[in-house]
Amino acid sequence: AQSVAQPEDQVNVAEGNPLTVKCTYSVSGNPYLFWYVQYPNRGLQFLLKYITGDNLVKGSYGFEAEFNKSQTSFHLKKPSALVSDSALYFCAVRDGTNDYKLSFGAGTTVTVRA
Amino acid sequence: DADVTQTPRNRITKTGKRIMLECSQTKGHDRMYWYRQDPGLGLRLIYYSFDVKDINKGEISDGYSVSRQAQAKFSLSLESAIPNQTALYFCATSHAGELFFGEGSRLTVL
Repeated sequence: AQSVAQPEDQVNVAEGNPLTVKCTYSVSGNPYLFWYVQYPNRGLQFLLKYITGDNLVKGSYGFEAEFNKSQTSFHLKKPSALVSDSALYFCAVRDGTNDYKLSFGAGTTVTVRA
Repeated sequence: DADVTQTPRNRITKTGKRIMLECSQTKGHDRMYWYRQDPGLGLRLIYYSFDVKDINKGEISDGYSVSRQAQAKFSLSLESAIPNQTALYFCATSHAGELFFGEGSRLTVL
């Protein structure tokens, strides 16, 4: 069975500081990894994905994520956080066969203080 | 206008009532999904449909049913709502492995 763990329920950072949201995964075969963001009263929006290739993936709004196969991790990062980055972030994984079967983590609430 | 539209956005109902949540999309995608979001649990898949004639159960389909009326429309029904179905429900479409979500329907069952 595939699964995702987001070990931190909440992450608090000051504006301008680096932001990291952690994610580890378990899946059979090669992982397809995703990050989504949910702003209050909105649906989830796609940030970035890793399928193959460079371990550092760049996405929307200045976010990037690093795939680490040995540690089975896919941490989301932003070098300089903005107050507008405050939201709920979800990591998700699927295998390479069943593209409908996306497993989500529980989510991490990010609060960026001015 | 949103590409994936859900109605209603908010609904309060009583135990035992039948509820339908509707979803329509203008993205032209064949694949549509219904997810449920609960705090601390992330999103869980209720049903998914690859086209009008192909509907499949997800991981938590008990107590729910769906109807794919057209390529653009996918509705979720609770035949007899119960309080533990109180949640935020999302419809989504997908293309090339990427999901596109509606803005959610918040359902409260008293």
